This record gives sequence, C-alpha cells and structure tokens, in this order.
Amino acid sequence: DTAVSQTPKYLVTQMGNDKSIKCEQNLGHDTMYWYKQDSKKFLKIMFSYNNKELIINETVPNRFSPKSPDKAHLNLHINSLELGDSAVYFCASSQVASGGRDEQFFGPGTRLTVL
Amino acid sequence: AQSVTQLGSHVSVSEGALVLLRCNYSSSVPPYLFWYVQYPNQGLQLLLKYTTGATLVKGINGFEAEFKKSETSFHLTKPSAHMSDAAEYFCAVRAALIYNQGGKLIFGQGTELSVKP
Repeated sequence: DTAVSQTPKYLVTQMGNDKSIKCEQNLGHDTMYWYKQDSKKFLKIMFSYNNKELIINETVPNRFSPKSPDKAHLNLHINSLELGDSAVYFCASSQVASGGRDEQFFGPGTRLTVL
Repeated sequence: AQSVTQLGSHVSVSEGALVLLRCNYSSSVPPYLFWYVQYPNQGLQLLLKYTTGATLVKGINGFEAEFKKSETSFHLTKPSAHMSDAAEYFCAVRAALIYNQGGKLIFGQGTELSVKP
C-alpha cells in the first residue's frame, strides 16, 4: 500500500496555463506539506496544513494555492505558470501532534516542466 | 532560526570503503535531526533520526550517525560502501514545534554519493 501518493508523476505544460497536483496519504497523519526541489536539488518548504488548516506559507507567490479538502488530501493548484516554476514538487505527511519527533513521509514527487 | 550545512556537494568512495557525509546544524533550541536518502527519480526515504536519548543512532542499510552537541554536528557514516548506496543524501533539522512552525523540515544542500567499483 502506498503511504503518500501524488498525481501526476510528470506534468509538461505551457507558460500561462493553470495546473493542479494532487496528494493523498493513508497513514492517518494530521499534517501534510508541500516542498519544492529545484534544479540544484535544493528542497524548500512551501506549505503545511494541520487538520485542514494552513499553518505554514513560506513566502510563496499567491499563484500557488494549496487546498486541503480533508486530513488525507492536500492539493496544489498553480495559476499562470512561469518558467521558474519548473521543479519537482514533493508532498509529505507526518504526525505532528505526537511532539514533532515523527518522521515525514514523502511522496514520489511530481516533475513539473513549464515550456 | 535553524539551518543546516552539508560539507561537500559530491563525495566519491570505492566499494567497500568508509562512507562519511558531513552535516552541521544551527539551532537555538534542542534539534531533531534527520538523514534522508533520495535515489534517482524517487522521493525521499528516511535513513535515521535523532530526537532525544542515545546520541549514536542506527538506521537502515547499515548507516549510522552521531549527534555531537558540542560540535553541532550530525555526520552520517557507513563502514563499507555498496554500489547500491549511490544516491543523494540530505540532512535536515526540524524547526521548533510551536504552532506556526508546524514541524517543517529545513534541509541541507544535499550530498551526492558516488560509489566506484
């Protein structure tokens, strides 16, 4: 059983388009995250949701809008895509309520290419 | 603020040799520290973690790391490298668990490990 899944795995699109990436976790965790990995493999937090409530928004352009319909899902919608949005986007989840010791489980990533 | 520095963006070892990947952190509160591995075109997998207690932690695939508070280090080691260890390795520190931090991970720049036959 896949713990954290993302769709699609690859996304190729034109500048200016709007696209969404979906994430689901079946671990029963209370917190989900979106990370961006750039071309140099640097990973940076974008958003975090705890029990459907946004708790981290790391100065990401407002073209990026996360949505959490329930605790098990965190989707990422991107409007007006730009070349600089090309990256690998990782979803992750963890059980923060236990005191922060639990690891974060990562999805397989979505490679977004903007042409 | 917390930060992580990984010394060496690329490390190359021979099969059977010692693996040493260096990680130094900065944190104003007791840190939780993690090492993750990323194989090509895959997500991140936890190798090991330090939260409290024993400072020498053992992880999967024969890796271990030692938390040294006096040196603010959390270096990753493996006695004998295997070809399958070739991957990208990330050290991470967990931000202080206050509500608006949400337990986010702050990553180092990553170290690519190559293993020569």
